[in-house]
Amino acid sequence: NAGVTQTPKFQVLKTGQSMTLQCAQDMNHEYMSWYRQDPGMGLRLIHYSVGAGITDQGEVPNGYNVSRSTTEDFPLRLLSAAPSQTSVYFCASSYSGVRNTEAFFGQGTRLTVV
Amino acid sequence: SQQGEEDPQALSIQEGENATMNCSYKTSINNLQWYRQNSGRGLVHLILIRSNEREKHSGRLRVTLDTSKKSSSLLITASRAADTASYFCATGDGANSKLTFGKGITLSVRP
Repeated sequence: NAGVTQTPKFQVLKTGQSMTLQCAQDMNHEYMSWYRQDPGMGLRLIHYSVGAGITDQGEVPNGYNVSRSTTEDFPLRLLSAAPSQTSVYFCASSYSGVRNTEAFFGQGTRLTVV
Repeated sequence: SQQGEEDPQALSIQEGENATMNCSYKTSINNLQWYRQNSGRGLVHLILIRSNEREKHSGRLRVTLDTSKKSSSLLITASRAADTASYFCATGDGANSKLTFGKGITLSVRP
């Protein structure tokens, strides 16, 4: 019973490098989202998707891209990493908002940009 | 910007005592949820209360919602050391599935 799987768990990048954070869920959830968690800031929404082929921006989308080609996967791409993107990233999924059900979170990716 | 604001920011209690945490929000909501995060882990859903509900129970958890005051409280009864964690409230507006989180409360339960 995997739930939401994020890879990698840890990553160190140099400024200017690009990378993709992977997120996969096996619960057939329509809704998926990416958050970043910084000390004292709680969780802030980066991007979200309400279904395959549909994505939208959250509160802090700059510097990040997403795509949703399948129901299961929702990768987050950092285009050109900056030290301000040092954070812990969480992927979450849930049934559609119409039912407003609970969100299931992955274990997080701790990213350091040097 | 955060929708929910939790209070207090940190809480330290003795095992067996009750812990009360509060959350206030600004705009109308469809539901309010509470999550727990153990150190270094992802968030785990605790309880969801809809805007037309006033109180809900789940085991040792009791959550209340006052939409007129735009506030909610989470009560953990008979706390245990294992309850030590950060607790977050999150509001859902129902329109587009987005959850908006507060900054969280750090609860420490002393054995």
